[in-house]
Amino acid sequence: DAGITQSPRHKVTETGTPVTLRCHQTENHRYMYWYRQDPGHGLRLIHYSYGVKDTDKGEVSDGYSVSRSKTEDFLLTLESATSSQTSVYFCAISESVATRLDEQFFGPGTRLTVL
Amino acid sequence: LAKTTQPISMDSYEGQEVNITCSHNNIATNDYITWYQQFPSQGPRFIIQGYKTKVTNEVASLFIPADRKSSTLSLPRVSLSDTAVYYCLVTNAGNMLTFGGGTRLMVKP
Repeated sequence: DAGITQSPRHKVTETGTPVTLRCHQTENHRYMYWYRQDPGHGLRLIHYSYGVKDTDKGEVSDGYSVSRSKTEDFLLTLESATSSQTSVYFCAISESVATRLDEQFFGPGTRLTVL
Repeated sequence: LAKTTQPISMDSYEGQEVNITCSHNNIATNDYITWYQQFPSQGPRFIIQGYKTKVTNEVASLFIPADRKSSTLSLPRVSLSDTAVYYCLVTNAGNMLTFGGGTRLMVKP
């Protein structure tokens, strides 16, 4: 399996508090992604990064920010968590998007509950 | 990217062959068809990708007709451990992956 870890794996927090999720990779892949998965919605892209300090918005970026100061780490921050952000969050990595395969490798997920 | 439509759920029994069909009527010339598998409490993982005709690997086969408006993922002789959600995606190099709702496959003993 690709070397991807996410921390924490589970978190319960209260509305209005800031939350940071961490994704760490040991594969030295250039691209990193944050998705959220909710029942009936499959996975939706929140933000992605195509290099250190290079990030862009995905489909559902409102309420989230990201940072990537090192190749191996991609942080997702909820500045002020809301109950609608209760979800399972997956990090993914890929070596390149400019290839036919564009295979993404996913982490184990973080289950976040906002009360 | 082309939208995909696939059944919400399917049931099967151990040892049977399972075929999951996906429609993608608006697929573009440069698009590929890619399938991911997701087990409960895990992230998705890549299964197979194809452009046309047939592709086979150690996990599955992918059949794509000449018009490419649909594709069929074939899982030979499924086991209980094949119970998962299967996502059909239309992908294009340089674009982000778009996951739909997937097909929830339940394999029964």
